[in-house]
Amino acid sequence: KQEVTQIPAALSVPEGENLVLNCSFTDSAIYNLQWFRQDPGKGLTSLLLIQSSQREQTSGRLNASLDKSSGRSTLYIAASQPGDSATYLCASPSNTGKLIFGQGTTLQVKP
Amino acid sequence: GAVVSQHPSRVICKSGTSVKIECRSLDFQATTMFWYRQFPKKSLMLMATSNEGSKATYEQGVEKDKFLINHASLTLSTLTVTSAHPEDSSFYICSAREIKGTNYGYTFGSGTRLTVV
Repeated sequence: KQEVTQIPAALSVPEGENLVLNCSFTDSAIYNLQWFRQDPGKGLTSLLLIQSSQREQTSGRLNASLDKSSGRSTLYIAASQPGDSATYLCASPSNTGKLIFGQGTTLQVKP
Repeated sequence: GAVVSQHPSRVICKSGTSVKIECRSLDFQATTMFWYRQFPKKSLMLMATSNEGSKATYEQGVEKDKFLINHASLTLSTLTVTSAHPEDSSFYICSAREIKGTNYGYTFGSGTRLTVV
């Protein structure tokens, strides 16, 4: 049974800093892994989707990596901005198609 | 990219009434949609999986008679909260799975804040 974990639960950094958010999973037979962002009171916005055959995906200042052998994915945010403040969630589908979420990392970027 | 539209974004209703929430995939067909509930500062809790043309699959502990799900077309799923009570007040979010060849990803709606008074 797939389990997804995110550490830390919260992170506060000064503006401009590069940062890494961590996501680990227990079942290396992963189909794909998706990173989402959630702002307070809002739905989830998909940031990056990494298929099992891929090692990383990039979108603007965001880069997500996938290492199946170690059961880890990272989300790298370059030159962080206050607008990046949000909760970041990683998730992977189970074999029934249900998304298994990590607990999320709440990021605060201070001006 | 894939877009999922969820309406209404906010709704206030009286106890005992029913509320319908719509979830539409705008630019893709979704044979499977998912309904979640989220409590303040908590992670999403999956309520049910909505399958086009068939009955929804509910998670353990979710009352199927209270949370009616209909997925009558490939682009629309609805969640009806029947005989709503204040404890049903919550943030409800839908998600649709977009399949492209052998790959797929999930797109979420913007959520519905339900307040039962």
